[in-house]
Amino acid sequence: SQTIHQWPATLVQPVGSPLSLECTVEGTSNPNLYWYRQAAGRGLQLLFYSVGIGQISSEVPQNLSASRPQDRQFILSSKKLLLSDSGFYLCAWSVTSDSFLSSYNSPLHFGNGTRLTVT
Amino acid sequence: GEDVEQSLFLSVREGDSSVINCTYTDSSSTYLYWYKQEPGAGLQLLTYIFSNMDMKQDQRLTVLLNKKDKHLSLRIADTQTGDSAIYFCAESIGWTALIFGKGTTLSVSS
Repeated sequence: SQTIHQWPATLVQPVGSPLSLECTVEGTSNPNLYWYRQAAGRGLQLLFYSVGIGQISSEVPQNLSASRPQDRQFILSSKKLLLSDSGFYLCAWSVTSDSFLSSYNSPLHFGNGTRLTVT
Repeated sequence: GEDVEQSLFLSVREGDSSVINCTYTDSSSTYLYWYKQEPGAGLQLLTYIFSNMDMKQDQRLTVLLNKKDKHLSLRIADTQTGDSAIYFCAESIGWTALIFGKGTTLSVSS
């Protein structure tokens, strides 16, 4: 069965420091990978998604970046954190199945999240 | 643009039915989803419905879809205290990502 691992679970970082959050998926190949951020009272915001190694789509301009160095590894980074980067970061995966008529994307499956506090 | 709207809070008594409502804007959405988030945890997929269906039932959960009005609802029968959580409605955009509502906090009192 497929599993998704996200770490660390909590992180407290000072303003201006770098960030690296890691997410790995097991039990599937060539997954679609996603980073979402959940800020208090604002629901989930899609930050990045990737359909393959080295392919990153950014949904929101900001000081964050994402990389996919391996098929099942997705990394969220920042060179200098801002106070507004505080939030709950969620990694997710899905797979795309191709049929004769169309492509079907499976539901997203989420990791347990990383609570980031920028002080 | 795409948008998913939900009421923010719902309070029910244990044993009653809960109905959480959602409206969405993208008529081309293929699937619509309900996720549950317990405190400090990630999102757990509860159920989803294909856009050509009107209803889907899964044990205590019933999903109703009114495609004409772009309205989705989740009914939880015999609500229990363990159902207290935030419930997110989401619509698929294209074939890659989901757009989520802000979530409905369900509070169940005994």
